[in-house]
Amino acid sequence: GQNIDQPTEMTATEGAIVQINCTYQTSGFNGLFWYQQHAGEAPTFLSYNVLDGLEEKGRFSSFLSRSKGYSYLLLKELQMKDSASYLCAVKDSNYQLIWGAGTKLIIKP
Amino acid sequence: ETGVTQTPRHLVMGMTNKKSLKCEQHLGHNAMYWYKQSAKKPLELMFVYNFKEQTENNSVPSRFSPECPNSSHLFLHLHTLQPEDSALYLCASSRTGLADNTDTQYFGPGTRLTVL
Repeated sequence: GQNIDQPTEMTATEGAIVQINCTYQTSGFNGLFWYQQHAGEAPTFLSYNVLDGLEEKGRFSSFLSRSKGYSYLLLKELQMKDSASYLCAVKDSNYQLIWGAGTKLIIKP
Repeated sequence: ETGVTQTPRHLVMGMTNKKSLKCEQHLGHNAMYWYKQSAKKPLELMFVYNFKEQTENNSVPSRFSPECPNSSHLFLHLHTLQPEDSALYLCASSRTGLADNTDTQYFGPGTRLTVL
């Protein structure tokens, strides 16, 4: 079967750095997406990786290793507004998105 | 108005009621999706429409009935639901919905559904 694993919950301190990991086992790979979802709101697109390496976008970076079936989302200079759930999703060989259950990130002052 | 909108934002219904959820996208996209989101579970894809044609139905019970009159509007008609159908129902759209690596889905804020 296809599976996306990410931690259920993480806690970090304002101003710090946090890394949210995602591992996947899917039938084929056509890209990996990260979304942010604040409570009661729409998931919003953060990043897309299809080649190995690091993609940086402001305070957020996303890394991919296809050989290891592994990605992480790195958030720097954490702000209280970064408290949200972070969803990892992989596009499989049928171009269908397979979703993880999300990681709830709690930021403490 | 921009992006993807959904109405109503909250809905409480009895098991014998009939109601409809509405989604509208203002992004000029050609694909639209219905997802079910339950607490601590991955998003579950329910239906996909490409250019108004249904292309995916992931074994969804017949008490959920989608309708896509045009590329900008998507409905989910609900009847005789069960309490376990209580969840957040998300609508999304994407440019093509076809075999495209970079085709990205954009979501509405969802309808929080409670079935009593």
